[in-house]
Amino acid sequence: EAGVAQSPRYKIIEKRQSVAFWCNPISGHATLYWYQQILGQGPKLLIQFQNNGVVDDSQLPKDRFSAERLKGVDSTLKIQPAKLEDSAVYLCASSLVSGQPQHFGDGTRLSIL
Amino acid sequence: GENVEQHPSTLSVQEGDSAVIKCTYSDSASNYFPWYKQELGKRPQLIIDIRSNVGEKKDQRIAVTLNKTAKHFSLHITETQPEDSAVYFCAASITGGADGLTFGKGTHLIIQP
Repeated sequence: EAGVAQSPRYKIIEKRQSVAFWCNPISGHATLYWYQQILGQGPKLLIQFQNNGVVDDSQLPKDRFSAERLKGVDSTLKIQPAKLEDSAVYLCASSLVSGQPQHFGDGTRLSIL
Repeated sequence: GENVEQHPSTLSVQEGDSAVIKCTYSDSASNYFPWYKQELGKRPQLIIDIRSNVGEKKDQRIAVTLNKTAKHFSLHITETQPEDSAVYFCAASITGGADGLTFGKGTHLIIQP
């Protein structure tokens, strides 16, 4: 089966610019997660969707980050405006349903100049 | 919220020897504990997981043990091989609803030839 697809793989922007990342989960997976992985650290949850509804966004910096999963399949994560500390790999993961193993995509590596 | 501590941060072992990585968690409600392997520049890959109703789980050279009383779980790799070199992350979550993973900071495992 195809894995979690993410694009782009790399993105370089200047601070205060905006950026968007896209994720397509494994087919049939109802639950989708976005994580932020700063260099040298473990991934940190940003937001969890169940179908097209938000389950947990308690760690999402809502003043600059937004995410949507309008049709309950693919999802986009946006940062506007970007700050230097947003430099990280943004990982998308999906699971069949909540409580089942999470499978990760290759991530988008974001560099802020 | 949940806090996961992981030790050691770096572990160097001779090829063929065993490696043990330890994690502790803070939230006694956590009931799902996966381990991920991440090679440089690649996605985290699930290698084994354990749920709180089980004390030990084994898959070929990899085993995980869980002590709920001590809130402690460990990854054991036997007969280490060069391809085991990677960063390993432990994680914890509460299944059902908001089940985003809380990760440890990772262990860089180096297999010396």
